This record gives sequence, C-alpha cells and structure tokens, in this order.
Amino acid sequence: DAGVIQSPRHEVTEMGQEVTLRCKPISGHDYLFWYRQTMMRGLELLIYFNNNVPIDDSGMPEDRFSAKMPNASFSTLKIQPSEPRDSAVYFCASSLGQTYNEQFFGPGTRLTVL
Amino acid sequence: GESVGLHLPTLSVQEGDNSIINCAYSNSASDYFIWYKQESGKGPQFIIDIRSNMDKRQGQRVTVLLNKTVKHLSLQIAATQPGDSAVYFCAENNYGQNFVFGPGTRLSVLP
Repeated sequence: DAGVIQSPRHEVTEMGQEVTLRCKPISGHDYLFWYRQTMMRGLELLIYFNNNVPIDDSGMPEDRFSAKMPNASFSTLKIQPSEPRDSAVYFCASSLGQTYNEQFFGPGTRLTVL
Repeated sequence: GESVGLHLPTLSVQEGDNSIINCAYSNSASDYFIWYKQESGKGPQFIIDIRSNMDKRQGQRVTVLLNKTVKHLSLQIAATQPGDSAVYFCAENNYGQNFVFGPGTRLSVLP
C-alpha cells in the first residue's frame, strides 16, 4: 500500500516566487491535513479538509497561503508570494475519520526560501 | 534562517535499557492520545494510542501510561534499540477537535 505521497520532497526558491506543494492522501481516507514544522514552533496544523471541503483554515498564517482539494486524491498548498520565514518542512497527513483515528503522515516537503 | 528554536528535551539511554518519555498535555477534556515517532527526514509515524477511559495500554515493546489527574502521559520503551533513536511526540485530541502536538522529546540511544 502506498502511503501519503508528497511532492516535491525538496524545494528551493527565491523570495517572491510562487510555491506549490502537492499531496496524494491514502485512498479511502476522508480527512486531509496540512502541517508545518519548524524548530521555532514545532508541528502546527495549517488547514484540514473533510470530503474535499475545507473545514478549518484558522492555522493558515496569512493570505499568502492557500490550499485546495479538487478531488479525493489530490490536494495542493500554495504560497504566493513566498518569504524566507516560510522556510519549513510541510507535511500532509490523511485519516479515516477524525476522532479516535491515527493520522498517516507523508514524508514532507522541505521548503527553503532564499 | 532561524537563530532561536525550540530546545527539545533530550533523553539519552544505553542500548538495552528501558526508556521513559514524558508528556504533559494541556486540555483536561482531551479524550484520545497518540504517541508518534519521527525519524530524521521522515514524517511522524504512529506508535501507540490510548483513550481516556484507560490508564495503560501495551504494544510490542511499548507501553503508554495515562494519568488524567495530573494531565500526564508517558511512553515506555523496553530494551531500547539503536533504531528507536528519534523524536517522540505526544498528541492530544478533544472529542473530535484537531490533534494538538507536544514539542517532542529527542531519544538518543547510546551503544
């Protein structure tokens, strides 16, 4: 079974550029989560979807961040324009149900904004 | 880059010894808890979970203890191996709200 798939694994870009991170959740999972991990703040929830619908985006830091889930097998997290402080590892996770169910994490995308 | 970051607590144990990793959670109403393991360069991986109606749960070489009175969770790893070296996170969930992750503890297994 393929787990959660994220691409790219590493992204280096310059300040001001648009960045798009991609995620394919585990087939059949109805929840998808985007997290950001930094040394400063640890693991933070940015946004999550249920059945492709965004439920809570209160963790999205600014309007520069946006996320979409056009179908059950694909989600994107976009940063436009990117800034050096956006440098972090971004994880996508999926789960079957929200309560009492583990989240399966992807390998992450390490983003560096110069 | 970041000049100030989280100072992760670090636990160093000898190979073969038992490890105990502690976590203080924040919400007394949380009813479900998970321990995750994160190896370098990888995403967090589920280890074991426990619901608030239990105070102990055992897995293979791992045991989770829950003390709701003092809002404390611990992860015990028996016969710690080099492959156990990682950062361990506890996560709490309150009746379907989102998981809140702790800052993590780095476990270092000494040969």
